[in-house]
Amino acid sequence: QKEVEQDPGPLSVPEGAIVSLNCTYSNSAFQYFMWYRQYSRKGPELLMYTYSSGNKEDGRFTAQVDKSSKYISLFIRDSQPSDSATYLCAMSRMNSGYSTLTFGKGTMLLVSP
Amino acid sequence: DVKVTQSSRYLVKRTGEKVFLECVQDMDHENMFWYRQDPGLGLRLIYFSYDVKMKEKGDIPEGYSVSREKKERFSLILESASTNQTSMYLCASSPPAYMNTEAFFGQGTRLTVV
Repeated sequence: QKEVEQDPGPLSVPEGAIVSLNCTYSNSAFQYFMWYRQYSRKGPELLMYTYSSGNKEDGRFTAQVDKSSKYISLFIRDSQPSDSATYLCAMSRMNSGYSTLTFGKGTMLLVSP
Repeated sequence: DVKVTQSSRYLVKRTGEKVFLECVQDMDHENMFWYRQDPGLGLRLIYFSYDVKMKEKGDIPEGYSVSREKKERFSLILESASTNQTSMYLCASSPPAYMNTEAFFGQGTRLTVV
């Protein structure tokens, strides 16, 4: 079983739809959870960052972490064509003062006008 | 504005060549990373460094080496390029883990080995 599982998509939705993106993980030592957005031919950029279970909201984006189920989600409200990108979940744990990120494979999202 | 800069956006090299990919960050970050990204495989960690002259192997270090002589610069070296090293290479940096674990990425270098 891979440490982080993410459905690769593509996920196609009409403009204005609510989008739900998800990842599951197997390592209970993960403490930090992130969502990155990657546009075509660009590097990933951090979208949301959470520590421990709960919700975090930033504009149209909400990140949710359920550590008991080892499940994280990213919700996008009122989706826009500019949200079309690949969304990568990432998680990390402390390790002797440094940490490395473990990524999901990414979900490609296409929002049509 | 934070910045991680990779020296080339696109590179074409021949099989057997020694290839250097350079990465510079201006955030005074301790940690720097090299990943490769391939369709269907996602991002995979090649090497990382948590201090000057320190390096640690990631998940797929075979065929690669790294150099970190200065805090702001982290180089990835392909000793003898092969076609299976054709990929998108991404450099990232992050502050010490006790601060947070957010990583900032460069724009990537798309390397083609022919």
